[in-house]
Amino acid sequence: KAGVTQTPRYLIKTRGQQVTLSCSPISGHRSVSWYQQTPGQGLQFLFEYFSETQRNKGNFPGRFSGRQFSNSRSEMNVSTLELGDSALYLCASWDTLSTDTQYFGPGTRLTVL
Amino acid sequence: DQQVKQNSPSLSVQEGRISILNCDYTNSMFDYFLWYKKYPAEGPTFLISISSIKDKNEDGRFTVFLNKSAKHLSLHIVPSQPGDSAVYFCAASAPASNYQLIWGAGTKLII
Repeated sequence: KAGVTQTPRYLIKTRGQQVTLSCSPISGHRSVSWYQQTPGQGLQFLFEYFSETQRNKGNFPGRFSGRQFSNSRSEMNVSTLELGDSALYLCASWDTLSTDTQYFGPGTRLTVL
Repeated sequence: DQQVKQNSPSLSVQEGRISILNCDYTNSMFDYFLWYKKYPAEGPTFLISISSIKDKNEDGRFTVFLNKSAKHLSLHIVPSQPGDSAVYFCAASAPASNYQLIWGAGTKLII
């Protein structure tokens, strides 16, 4: 099976702009989670989608939003970008019916100037 | 409130010796624990997991130990190899939170 894919891999934006990141989960996985990783901060949970519904949400401002499509692909949107949004954004997918193990994509490196 | 803690930001170990990475948790409802390995600019890679009904799980050079009474788990790597140099994250999940993973801050292992 193909792994989790994320596009784009790298992105440079300026403050105030908005950005949309995409994640394609492993075939058959219906759950997708998004994480933000900044140096020294570990993985900060953004939100999780299951069957097109947001099931869990982390402590991020409303500028961070997401959605999931019927084919389980997910998008994450950040509006009104701030310098502090510069980070590696990771997407993970898993098959909640059989395991709790999440499989990660390579991430999207977002730089906000 | 940090429910999963990795108190050592970094650890240096000689090649061939044992690496022991530690993780403490506070939520007694956690019933599944995982270790991930992460190289720079890549997504984390699943390494090994353990259910709360076990106290040990082994996979090749990697062994995870779970001490429920102490709310502590550890990852042992024997023997340590240069390719093991990475950041290691522990994570935990509980049924009550729809199995959302709660992550530690990571420990950078240098071999």
